[in-house]
Amino acid sequence: DAGVIQSPRHEVTEMGQEVTLRCKPISGHNSLFWYRQTMMRGLELLIYFNNNVPIDDSGMPEDRFSAKMPNASFSTLKIQPSEPRDSAVYFCATKRGSTGSDEQFFGPGTRLTVL
Amino acid sequence: QKEVEQDPGPLSVPEGAIVSLNCTYSNSAFQYFMWYRQYSRKGPELLMYTYSSGNKEDGRFTAQVDKSSKYISLFIRDSQPSDSATYLCASTNFNKFYFGSGTKLNVKP
Repeated sequence: DAGVIQSPRHEVTEMGQEVTLRCKPISGHNSLFWYRQTMMRGLELLIYFNNNVPIDDSGMPEDRFSAKMPNASFSTLKIQPSEPRDSAVYFCATKRGSTGSDEQFFGPGTRLTVL
Repeated sequence: QKEVEQDPGPLSVPEGAIVSLNCTYSNSAFQYFMWYRQYSRKGPELLMYTYSSGNKEDGRFTAQVDKSSKYISLFIRDSQPSDSATYLCASTNFNKFYFGSGTKLNVKP
């Protein structure tokens, strides 16, 4: 299995631009999570989906952030417009099941820099 | 207050030392407790997983949960330079995961 696939691995953009991060989950995993990691705030859950349905988006910082999961094989996290404080590493993670008992597998992350 | 609190370190120890990493959590409903290891510029990987209170051992690693004091611990025996990484504790309430901020460990040869 290829594991969780994220693209791009690195993104450098200018303030005000739209940024789209992509994630392909492990086949058969029906829970998908988007996290943001910074030195100051650590690893923060932004949103998670179960069976393609958003379950909890309370961690999404503001309306500039949106996430979609149109099918079981693909999810996007979009930031529009981007700001320098959005600079972070964004991780996608997936797991089987909808309880806490299954292992969560993380992708390699997208390192976002907003100038 | 964060749901899971962790001392960020950094922690520097000589090779062969016993390492103790600790976290506290606030939600008594948490049932599953995990330790993840994250190498530089990589995603976190699950290291240890415990359900409810008690100890779990896997090779040189022992995870311990004390639900009465809401305390999570990870012990590493005979630490190796390859153990140098950031260790994150985590807990779940149903399918929502809460992570500590991570402790950076450096094991010196």
